[in-house]
Amino acid sequence: AQTVTQSQPEMSVQEAETVTLSCTYDTSESDYYLFWYKQPPSRQMILVIRQEAYKQQNATENRFSVNFQKAAKSFSLKISDSQLGDAAMYFCAYRSASDSNYQLIWGAGTKLIIKP
Amino acid sequence: ETGVTQSPTHLIKTRGQQVTLRCSSQSGHNTVSWYQQALGQGPQFIFQYYREEENGRGNFPPRFSGLQFPNYSSELNVNALELDDSALYLCASSTRDRHNSPLHFGNGTRLTVT
Repeated sequence: AQTVTQSQPEMSVQEAETVTLSCTYDTSESDYYLFWYKQPPSRQMILVIRQEAYKQQNATENRFSVNFQKAAKSFSLKISDSQLGDAAMYFCAYRSASDSNYQLIWGAGTKLIIKP
Repeated sequence: ETGVTQSPTHLIKTRGQQVTLRCSSQSGHNTVSWYQQALGQGPQFIFQYYREEENGRGNFPPRFSGLQFPNYSSELNVNALELDDSALYLCASSTRDRHNSPLHFGNGTRLTVT
């Protein structure tokens, strides 16, 4: 069975600086998708960025980028120029490409604190 | 474009009771998934509905059941509530026709069982 591990329960960063959130996963599959979701106090899960495993190029979305290391099964999220609005829980999630029900498997989350 | 909406926002029930949670999917989406998120944890997959049929189920007992309606909205029903059912219940919609379609979530229903 696939698992997702986020080893940092909490991280803090000064506003305008850069922070990296860690995620590792375990799978025997070769084709899958990885996601980072943000959950602010409003409770809604918001997609931050996604990565297809077959793509070697790391995904980027404005200030958000990932470091995808397939062999190491690592998928870290880098947030540049941190803003107060980035404060939230961040969840890493995995989805098999062969799973017909598109189930997401989630890590336990990392709480990101932005210091003004 | 209308996003995913869930109702009610909060709910308090007594152990042994039954509860129904509701979800309206985002316009253009034909698939609804339900997740349970206990406090301080990541979500756990309950089940998914596509074309009004259950299309996959996580490790949840049969007292967790659901429905999907022709307009793609959905209900989650939980019978014989237990204290451990206290959690945030998240509904997510997506388009099954696109394999890498991301999930779009609602704001969840906070269920407290006393």
